[in-house]
Amino acid sequence: AQSVTQLDSHVSVSEGTPVLLRCNYSSSYSPSLFWYVQHPNKGLQLLLKYTSAATLVKGINGFEAEFKKSETSFHLTKPSAHMSDAAEYFCVVSLISGNTPLVFGKGTRLSVIA
Amino acid sequence: DTGVSQDPRHKITKRGQNVTFRCDPISEHNRLYWYRQTLGQGPEFLTYFQNEAQLEKSRLLSDRFSAERPKGSFSTLEIQRTEQGDSAMYLCASSSTVRQGSWGVETQYFGPGTRLLVL
Repeated sequence: AQSVTQLDSHVSVSEGTPVLLRCNYSSSYSPSLFWYVQHPNKGLQLLLKYTSAATLVKGINGFEAEFKKSETSFHLTKPSAHMSDAAEYFCVVSLISGNTPLVFGKGTRLSVIA
Repeated sequence: DTGVSQDPRHKITKRGQNVTFRCDPISEHNRLYWYRQTLGQGPEFLTYFQNEAQLEKSRLLSDRFSAERPKGSFSTLEIQRTEQGDSAMYLCASSSTVRQGSWGVETQYFGPGTRLLVL
């Protein structure tokens, strides 16, 4: 069975400082990993996905994530936070290729302080 | 792509009533998923379809819940005899197994959700 653990329920950063949202996964097979973002009263939007082509994955809005098999981690980072990044972020695992049910973490709420 | 749409966006009902939600996936997407998200939690899988066939149901899907995708296009999720514990956001997503994304990892695209409140 697959699972993800998001290590922080809430992260607060100042505008212009780096963002780090931590995620550990558990999977019996080589997983497909994703980060989704959910802004208030808006639908879930894909930020990036790990495809095994490269361990460092670049996504939208300057976000990136690094797949580390030895640490079973897939942390999300951004060099400089913007006010518009304030949202709920979900780390997600799928058994096979994204076309099977997704397993979501509990989410990390990112606050950005001016 | 016009995106995944869901109707209604909000529903308030009294305990014991039946409700039905509709999801229209991205056209030509053959897989359609239903998830439920309660306050402060991540979405949880309920069920999914490939074309009109229901492939899997979660243990969260009690016998009061039924989902259909009769023609392999839109889907409905019905909850009978609603309970206060059914209050949640119901999310629909779709994907394609035919047109694989990069390195075969497909993306599930989510609709805006239907927020249900059971009084």
